[in-house]
Amino acid sequence: DAGVIQSPRHEVTEMGQEVTLRCKPISGHNSLFWYRQTMMRGLELLIYFNNNVPIDDSGMPEDRFSAKMPNASFSTLKIQPSEPRDSAVYFCASIRDGGTQYFGPGTRLLVL
Amino acid sequence: AQSVAQPEDQVNVAEGNPLTVKCTYSVSGNPYLFWYVQYPNRGLQFLLKYITGDNLVKGSYGFEAEFNKSQTSFHLKKPSALVSDSALYFCAVRDIRSGGFKTIFGAGTRLFVKA
Repeated sequence: DAGVIQSPRHEVTEMGQEVTLRCKPISGHNSLFWYRQTMMRGLELLIYFNNNVPIDDSGMPEDRFSAKMPNASFSTLKIQPSEPRDSAVYFCASIRDGGTQYFGPGTRLLVL
Repeated sequence: AQSVAQPEDQVNVAEGNPLTVKCTYSVSGNPYLFWYVQYPNRGLQFLLKYITGDNLVKGSYGFEAEFNKSQTSFHLKKPSALVSDSALYFCAVRDIRSGGFKTIFGAGTRLFVKA
């Protein structure tokens, strides 16, 4: 299995630009999670989906952040407009039927 | 609400010595507990989990963890540390009674194993 796939691996953008992060979960997994990791705040759960439906988005920082899961094999996390404080590593993870979470390699985002 | 605490930011141990990385948790129901390891510039890798059954759980790379319900702890242990074990370790908890799959991670503990 290819594992959880995230793209891009690195993103550098300027403040105010739109950023889209992409995730392909492990085939057969039915829950998907987006996390953000920073030195100051550690690993924060932003949102998670079960069977493509958003279940808990209480961790999404503000309206500039949005996430979608149009089908079982693809999810996006969008930041519009981006700000320097959004700079972080964003991880996607997936599970099957409440089992073990498997993480992608992450997207390192730098907003200038 | 569920929460997890890793009281030590950093643990230093000499190679060959036993290591312990501490974790305590708080949930309203029965917990699922996990340990993950993160190497530099990598994603989190699963080490082991406790769901039910034997309180001593064995995982990858010789690691094990002991579930202690009365102390609400799930400390990670290894009998003999290797330099290659140096990494960032995360404890995580999932409250299965809530009915969801929300998993909360601790702040992480950085392990340094000195040769």
